[in-house]
Amino acid sequence: NAGVTQTPKFQVLKTGQSMTLQCAQDMNHEYMSWYRQDPGMGLRLIHYSVGAGITDQGEVPNGYNVSRSTTEDFPLRLLSAAPSQTSVYFCASSSAGGTQYFGPGTRLTVL
Amino acid sequence: DQQVKQNSPSLSVQEGRISILNCDYTNSMFDYFLWYKKYPAEGPTFLISISSIKDKNEDGRFTVFLNKSAKHLSLHIVPSQPGDSAVYFCAARFEGGGNKLTFGTGTQLKVEL
Repeated sequence: NAGVTQTPKFQVLKTGQSMTLQCAQDMNHEYMSWYRQDPGMGLRLIHYSVGAGITDQGEVPNGYNVSRSTTEDFPLRLLSAAPSQTSVYFCASSSAGGTQYFGPGTRLTVL
Repeated sequence: DQQVKQNSPSLSVQEGRISILNCDYTNSMFDYFLWYKKYPAEGPTFLISISSIKDKNEDGRFTVFLNKSAKHLSLHIVPSQPGDSAVYFCAARFEGGGNKLTFGTGTQLKVEL
């Protein structure tokens, strides 16, 4: 039982490049979400999904896209990376109303 | 607008003593509160939670107190241990909010020998 996994662990991008951060969970959770953590800001919700095929925006969605084609996977796409997107990204999953379990994070640097 | 606030960025406590971490919130719609613990280079892990219908919840060395009238909650760790050194995040959600969490900015706890 791996829980929530994220790849890659580290990534360096140049401004304007695109990439996808991968997130997978093996707990059959309906709810998945993406957060970013910045110094002095805590964790802020980017996008979330309440089930396959259903996604919605969180607090800071601009510059990011998501899709949820399966229960297990919830990738986060950066369309055109900007230095302001330098952050640590966490994926989380939970059952409806349940405790959220977080992945180990992806540290992204945009030059 | 920071709806969940942790005004102390850091706290240092001696081993064996009590650690008290504080959290304030502004949104009266919040009805469920959680504390997460985070070690460097790891994701946050759930520690303890409390529903707004309670004023106290205890789990071993960890107790969370909720004062709804003051919109304030606190996490007590007794006795504190060096392994408790981590960043602690307070989080809140409300019914109908789709399990979305609003986090505070975190408090770095250091438990010294």
